[in-house]
Amino acid sequence: AQRVTQPEKLLSVFKGAPVELKCNYSYSGSPELFWYVQYSRQRLQLLLRHISRESIKGFTADLNKGETSFHLKKPFAQEEDSAMYYCALSERAAGNKLTFGGGTRVLVKP
Amino acid sequence: EAGVTQFPSHSVIEKGQTVTLRCDPISGHDNLYWYRRVMGKEIKFLLHFVKESKQDESGMPNNRFLAERTGGTYSTLKVQPAELEDSGVYFCASSQERGWNTEAFFGQGTRLTVV
Repeated sequence: AQRVTQPEKLLSVFKGAPVELKCNYSYSGSPELFWYVQYSRQRLQLLLRHISRESIKGFTADLNKGETSFHLKKPFAQEEDSAMYYCALSERAAGNKLTFGGGTRVLVKP
Repeated sequence: EAGVTQFPSHSVIEKGQTVTLRCDPISGHDNLYWYRRVMGKEIKFLLHFVKESKQDESGMPNNRFLAERTGGTYSTLKVQPAELEDSGVYFCASSQERGWNTEAFFGQGTRLTVV
């Protein structure tokens, strides 16, 4: 069965410091990987996906199939990046339902 | 364009009562998903509708949960009778596949508290 692991429940960094959120997955097929973000009092929203290879709000994530990882990185964290981040995978053959990791809360201190 | 809306935003009920949650997807989205996050746990899939048909209900915890999507528009998730362990946040999401784009749009969630 597919599984997504986010080992850090909380990451606290200072503004301007780099931040990296770890995500590892296990899945035997060809999953699509996503990062979702939930800012305070807002709904869960898509941040980025591996297939589009975009950089959104300064964040990037590279899919490493050898290490089955999809870590999220930003070189210079901003206070507005404070939020809950979820790594998730889906598989088209399974109706694109999402399997989420446990989430990482990021706190960017001034 | 209106996003996915869920009602109510918060519900407090007593154990044994019935609660019905509603989700209005984005207009034109055939796919509708229900998820929930129980305190301290990850967000878990409950079920998936394609239009009015249940495509996958493998995540439904037990037969106290009943989901419907009559007419393929809005969906309801009924819990009857509610138990303490049903407390959590219930999310609805909708999507429409356009080529490789399968982005799911989420509602704000319904926080259910069973006391």
